[in-house]
Amino acid sequence: DAGVIQSPRHEVTEMGQEVTLRCKPISGHDYLFWYRQTMMRGLELLIYFNNNVPIDDSGMPEDRFSAKMPNASFSTLKIQPSEPRDSAVYFCASSFVGVGGYTFGSGTRLTVV
Amino acid sequence: SQQGEEDPQALSIQEGENATMNCSYKTSINNLQWYRQNSGRGLVHLILIRSNEREKHSGRLRVTLDTSKKSSSLLITASRAADTASYFCATARVRDDKIIFGKGTRLHILP
Repeated sequence: DAGVIQSPRHEVTEMGQEVTLRCKPISGHDYLFWYRQTMMRGLELLIYFNNNVPIDDSGMPEDRFSAKMPNASFSTLKIQPSEPRDSAVYFCASSFVGVGGYTFGSGTRLTVV
Repeated sequence: SQQGEEDPQALSIQEGENATMNCSYKTSINNLQWYRQNSGRGLVHLILIRSNEREKHSGRLRVTLDTSKKSSSLLITASRAADTASYFCATARVRDDKIIFGKGTRLHILP
């Protein structure tokens, strides 16, 4: 298995633009998580899905952020419009219930200028 | 808000020495996990210890859990240069099983 795959690895965009981050979880995993990592706030859980259904989005900072999981093999995190304070590394992770432990992707480093 | 808090924030030791990192948390947990993150990479799961376990080993890693003190420690024995990384504890809360990460300990192994 190739692991959790995220794209793009790096994204530089101008303030106000729409940004879409993508994630392909490990086949067979039934949970998918989106995290944001910054020096100031550490790793923050934004949203997670179970069997493609959003379970908890209380960590999504504001309405500019949205996430979807149309099927078991794909999820997106969208920021519209983007702002400089959204600059961070965004991680996707997946897991299988009962096994414990998350498998993380390599992350997307987002820079909003 | 952070559930787990690692201590120390940074640690430098000589290669071959043992490294100990601690984690404290606030609420009741189902399990506690430790992860490693190399610079510019994603997190890698190292070990999971359940709330009814007190100690667990995996290779050069030893994890202890004291639920009465709400604390855990990660011991890396015979450290190597490749162990240089940030180490995070993550706790799965009982009330919603949500996993919350601490801010990590930056470990630097000196040659």
